[in-house]
Amino acid sequence: DIVLTQSPALAVSLGQRATISCRASQSVSISRYNLMHWYQQKPGQQPKLLIYRASTLASGIPARFSGSGSGTDFTLTINPVQADDIATYYCQQSRESPPTFGGGTKLELK
Amino acid sequence: EVKLVESGGGLVQPGRSLKLSCAVSGFNFNDYWMGWVRQAPGKGLEWIGEINKDSSTINYTPSLKDKFTISRDNAQNTLYLQMSKLGSEDTAIYYCARETTPMLMDAWGQGASVTVSS
Repeated sequence: DIVLTQSPALAVSLGQRATISCRASQSVSISRYNLMHWYQQKPGQQPKLLIYRASTLASGIPARFSGSGSGTDFTLTINPVQADDIATYYCQQSRESPPTFGGGTKLELK
Repeated sequence: EVKLVESGGGLVQPGRSLKLSCAVSGFNFNDYWMGWVRQAPGKGLEWIGEINKDSSTINYTPSLKDKFTISRDNAQNTLYLQMSKLGSEDTAIYYCARETTPMLMDAWGQGASVTVSS
């Protein structure tokens, strides 16, 4: 299985930029498709798709969220961070089955 | 509005079986692959498996293949997860999810809580 590694937590101030990283144990890109996706999960709620294929914003997601990366290294950026963004963020690959998730990065206020 | 509503969760004894349902509305169920993901208390997300539009293809994460069965009823707009030989390690919230492409989950239910305990 492809292992995705995320830092457990990130502390950020409101209004600042947050950069969340995800590293894959092998490439999750096929030709021009980067098969890495990002989800947001708030306490007691289901996950919500934020970004798919590394950089495409899902429907209804505000433009302060963005994604980048290819191969094995991917980044989710939130700029500027708002109070409503405090949550845990998961990366997930669909390059091969079974799809796997990172351990999650908990975004906290500094 | 896209809605997915899981039901059938609860407390179950070790070794027993349980079947979860996921009723969907707000989209054409027949047009989508569907999947199940679970989350143990305080832990991350684990993909269980997926089923294609006409049930001809069902994929599972290998470690769960022998105890979980995914099915669907397109006439009833409902997805199912049959779980057998449950152990404490299966205690989790179980989410159904719509897959916009295989293994990409773009809509999720609110989850069904399953607790395996004597």
